[in-house]
Amino acid sequence: KQEVTQIPAALSVPEGENLVLNCSFTDSAIYNLQWFRQDPGKGLTSLLLIQSSQREQTSGRLNASLDKSSGRSTLYIAASQPGDSATYLCAVTSKRDDKIIFGKGTRLHILP
Amino acid sequence: DAGVIQSPRHEVTEMGQEVTLRCKPISGHDYLFWYRQTMMRGLELLIYFNNNVPIDDSGMPEDRFSAKMPNASFSTLKIQPSEPRDSAVYFCASSPTNPGLEAVTQYFGPGTRLTVL
Repeated sequence: KQEVTQIPAALSVPEGENLVLNCSFTDSAIYNLQWFRQDPGKGLTSLLLIQSSQREQTSGRLNASLDKSSGRSTLYIAASQPGDSATYLCAVTSKRDDKIIFGKGTRLHILP
Repeated sequence: DAGVIQSPRHEVTEMGQEVTLRCKPISGHDYLFWYRQTMMRGLELLIYFNNNVPIDDSGMPEDRFSAKMPNASFSTLKIQPSEPRDSAVYFCASSPTNPGLEAVTQYFGPGTRLTVL
């Protein structure tokens, strides 16, 4: 059964710093991996989607990498801003289940 | 487009009552998903539809939960009878095609926060 783990559960960093969020998954048989952002009281917004054949995707200050063989992904945020404060969730689309499996997220707080 | 619309945004009810959550997907999206989010278990897929047909309901926790999609623009998730352990945020999401095979994302609604006393 596919499991997605995100460590740490919460993270606080000063504004301006670069940071990395981690995601690991147990089964490499995936179609894709996505990073989502969730603001308090809101739904999820997709940030980046990496197909299983790709290694990374970039959007503005965000860069997501995928190492399928080791079951790991990272989300790199450059020059963090207070507006980046949110919960970030990682999700994989499992080939075996044909389902999207989510991690529990990392709650990020950028200190002004 | 207004995005995925869910109602109500908040629901407080007493144990044993029937609860109905509603969702309007983005027009033209063929896939609709219902999720439940709790602190303990995170975000869990309950059921999803393709062209109004339920495809996988293996995530529905028990027979008290049921979901319908009578047409392409409306879906309901019903809990009868409700229990305190059903308290969670319920999200609806839609996608234009199969999110796995076509590498497209899902678009989430704002959620319904359900509290069962």
